[in-house]
Amino acid sequence: IAGITQAPTSQILAAGRRMTLRCTQDMRHNAMYWYRQDLGLGLRLIHYSNTAGTTGKGEVPDGYSVSRANTDDFPLTLASAVPSQTSVYFCASSDSMGSDTQYFGPGTRLTVL
Amino acid sequence: GENVEQHPSTLSVQEGDSAVIKCTYSDSASNYFPWYKQELGKRPQLIIDIRSNVGEKKDQRIAVTLNKTAKHFSLHITETQPEDSAVYFCAATERGGGADGLTFGKGTHLIIQP
Repeated sequence: IAGITQAPTSQILAAGRRMTLRCTQDMRHNAMYWYRQDLGLGLRLIHYSNTAGTTGKGEVPDGYSVSRANTDDFPLTLASAVPSQTSVYFCASSDSMGSDTQYFGPGTRLTVL
Repeated sequence: GENVEQHPSTLSVQEGDSAVIKCTYSDSASNYFPWYKQELGKRPQLIIDIRSNVGEKKDQRIAVTLNKTAKHFSLHITETQPEDSAVYFCAATERGGGADGLTFGKGTHLIIQP
């Protein structure tokens, strides 16, 4: 069992380029989340999904979009990357009908130049 | 929305001593309060959590207390060891109101001095 995986591990991207960060979980969790982590700011919620087919905006959604076509996958897309989107991105999942515990993926370190 | 404040930002304690990290939250509807530990370059990992129907929870050397009236909760680590050195994050959310994610504090860098 892999748990929750993210790809790529790291990426350097030119400003203006489109980028999709991938997240997959095999725990059959209904809820999934995307956070960004910046030094001194902690983790901030970008988007979330309660269940397949639904998504919602978090604290810092601008410049990002998500989709949830099935239970396992929750990709995050930067349509036109900007340097302020340089960050470490963590995907997480939880069984919101159960224990509530959020399990985090290993993260993607993204640098936008 | 919810706002979580965490103090201190850095805490240095002697090995074997206790460490206390404090958080306050703003939304009285919040009812779930997890604590995460993050080692350098690693993912956050849950170490303990508490729900609003209890005031204290313990797991070996780690305990969390919650004061709903004052809207604050604290993490207590006793008999600290070198492997406790990490960044600790508190968080809060309203469970049962939809899976809308956690609001995190900005973190405490705990340093255990040998």
